[in-house]
Amino acid sequence: DAKTTQPPSMDCAEGRAANLPCNHSTISGNEYVYWYRQIHSQGPQYIIHGLKNNETNEMASLIITEDRKSSTLILPHATLRDTAVYYCIVRNYGQNFVFGPGTRLSVLP
Amino acid sequence: DAGITQSPRYKITETGRQVTLMCHQTWSHSYMFWYRQDLGHGLRLIYYSAAADITDKGEVPDGYVVSRSKTENFPLTLESATRSQTSVYFCASRDWDSAYEQYFGPGTRLTVT
Repeated sequence: DAKTTQPPSMDCAEGRAANLPCNHSTISGNEYVYWYRQIHSQGPQYIIHGLKNNETNEMASLIITEDRKSSTLILPHATLRDTAVYYCIVRNYGQNFVFGPGTRLSVLP
Repeated sequence: DAGITQSPRYKITETGRQVTLMCHQTWSHSYMFWYRQDLGHGLRLIYYSAAADITDKGEVPDGYVVSRSKTENFPLTLESATRSQTSVYFCASRDWDSAYEQYFGPGTRLTVT
């Protein structure tokens, strides 16, 4: 699996968009990009995933660069409840997930 | 209630004791997983199972034993607990045809004294 690089922490003002970057420069053609988050003391929760096209669901949007070497998770209107650790993971379909240290997002009032 | 549950939620045990952490899911998912999470680290995979009676090692299997006689249960046993196994343990499951979304349990906080 390709390695990902995320900033260790970020702050975002409540109501603003939170843009969480992820670098995965060694991603291979059949590896997907996944995002999970972990709210304090809870198990991780799936957010979104994509291969090469941008994706949007009720929780977030995922923007993948054309060369697929990086991506950005966008929470359009961050709330205090979005404070969590966000994990960017790349993996082949069916393989196990490998969780790195992630980005600790603090949404500030 | 439907979902994935873990028991106990908190456990304190002594070095050398055997302890079993339970995981139960009601979706009949084929895959189940055990992770541990230590302070300041991401989750590390201990063992996983693709179906009943099929288990495989993850990244950090030493000191742990698993079994899966029924699809819905996936117990994790520490045969002789050590202080280094103090951690939060998460169980997860997913269906065979849903390779992107894993559902995690609430976790078990284990302290070995």
